[in-house]
Amino acid sequence: GQNIDQPTEMTATEGAIVQINCTYQTSGFNGLFWYQQHAGEAPTFLSYNVLDGLEEKGRFSSFLSRSKGYSYLLLKELQMKDSASYLCAVMDSNYQLIWGAGTKLIIKP
Amino acid sequence: ETGVTQTPRHLVMGMTNKKSLKCEQHLGHNAMYWYKQSAKKPLELMFVYNFKEQTENNSVPSRFSPECPNSSHLFLHLHTLQPEDSALYLCASSSLQGSSYEQYFGPGTRLTVT
Repeated sequence: GQNIDQPTEMTATEGAIVQINCTYQTSGFNGLFWYQQHAGEAPTFLSYNVLDGLEEKGRFSSFLSRSKGYSYLLLKELQMKDSASYLCAVMDSNYQLIWGAGTKLIIKP
Repeated sequence: ETGVTQTPRHLVMGMTNKKSLKCEQHLGHNAMYWYKQSAKKPLELMFVYNFKEQTENNSVPSRFSPECPNSSHLFLHLHTLQPEDSALYLCASSSLQGSSYEQYFGPGTRLTVT
């Protein structure tokens, strides 16, 4: 079967760094996505990785290892507004997204 | 402003009612999606339309009926729903051309079935 695993909840301190991990097992692979979803709002696109390595975009970076079925989202210089759920999703061989349940990130002052 | 709008934002309906959810995308995309989001569960893909043709129906009960009259509009018709259908219903769109596959989401409709 297809499966995406990520931690349910994480807590971090304002100004710190946090890494949110995602492991996956899917039928085919056409890229991995990270989305941010604030409570009561729509998910918004953060990053897309299809090749191994690190993609940096401002305070956010995303890493992919296809051989390990593993990705992480790294958030630096955390701000209170980063409190949200972070969703990991893999595009399978049919170009459909398989979603994880999301990681709720709580930022404390 | 995400370029994808949904109406209504909130809906309360009884189990014998008939209602419709509407989605419109202003991004020139050719694929549109309906998702169901329940608390602490992954997003569940319900329906996919590519170029107005339905390509996926992930074992969704017949009490949910999609309609895609053109590539910019998507509807979800609801009838005789059950309380367990209460959830956030999200519409999304994407372009299937080139290498850009990210989906853009609407704000969702919070549905409560009483």
